Amino acid sequence: GAGVSQSPSNKVTEKGKDVELRCDPISGHTALYWYRQSLGQGLEFLIYFQGNSAPDKSGLPSDRFSAERTGGSVSTLTIQRTQQEDSAVYLCASSKEGRGTDTQYFGPGTRLTVL
Amino acid sequence: AQSVTQLDSQVPVFEEAPVELRCNYSSSVSVYLFWYVQYPNQGLQLLLKYLSGSTLVKGINGFEAEFNKSQTSFHLRKPSVHISDTAEYFCAVKTTGGGNKLTFGTGTQLKVEL
Repeated sequence: GAGVSQSPSNKVTEKGKDVELRCDPISGHTALYWYRQSLGQGLEFLIYFQGNSAPDKSGLPSDRFSAERTGGSVSTLTIQRTQQEDSAVYLCASSKEGRGTDTQYFGPGTRLTVL
Repeated sequence: AQSVTQLDSQVPVFEEAPVELRCNYSSSVSVYLFWYVQYPNQGLQLLLKYLSGSTLVKGINGFEAEFNKSQTSFHLRKPSVHISDTAEYFCAVKTTGGGNKLTFGTGTQLKVEL
């Protein structure tokens, strides 16, 4: 079946602009995660959605970052007033039920470059 | 809080040779352990995971890992590597008591040479 998809695959923006990154999880998966992969910080957790529960936002690096998940499916990660240090690959993952034992399935990522 | 250490940033190895990629973790609570592989320009793919039970876990592509609680390690091994195993490998942990975020190590680049 279809895996996690993300769009765009690449995004180049100018410093100070806002960007939106999209994630389509595997159909039927109730849990969705965003991670960031950068040279300086490695792979780090950003935010986690599980069903209708309040999201775990503990990994968001600043208030310029926000995410929403509409209808329990598609998610959008928004970065406002982008900075050069936001340049990274943003990875989305989903899992079936959000249990600790569940496997997280990752998408191919969106490479963000802030000039 | 938990952390993961992958001491080897790069591991070169000849084809058909065995390989071990090291992973150590630190956590004050019980954890689940994972190994993911990332091929160039692709997302992460699960190789194997340890949840409970037998400490020797077998995964895809001939990889296996052994959980050692006393040494807080979860090293990844393969008895004979192939060129196609060239990729970056990430060890990760997740606490068993709730919260589903994965904490990753910094990754080990495995380069298989002829």
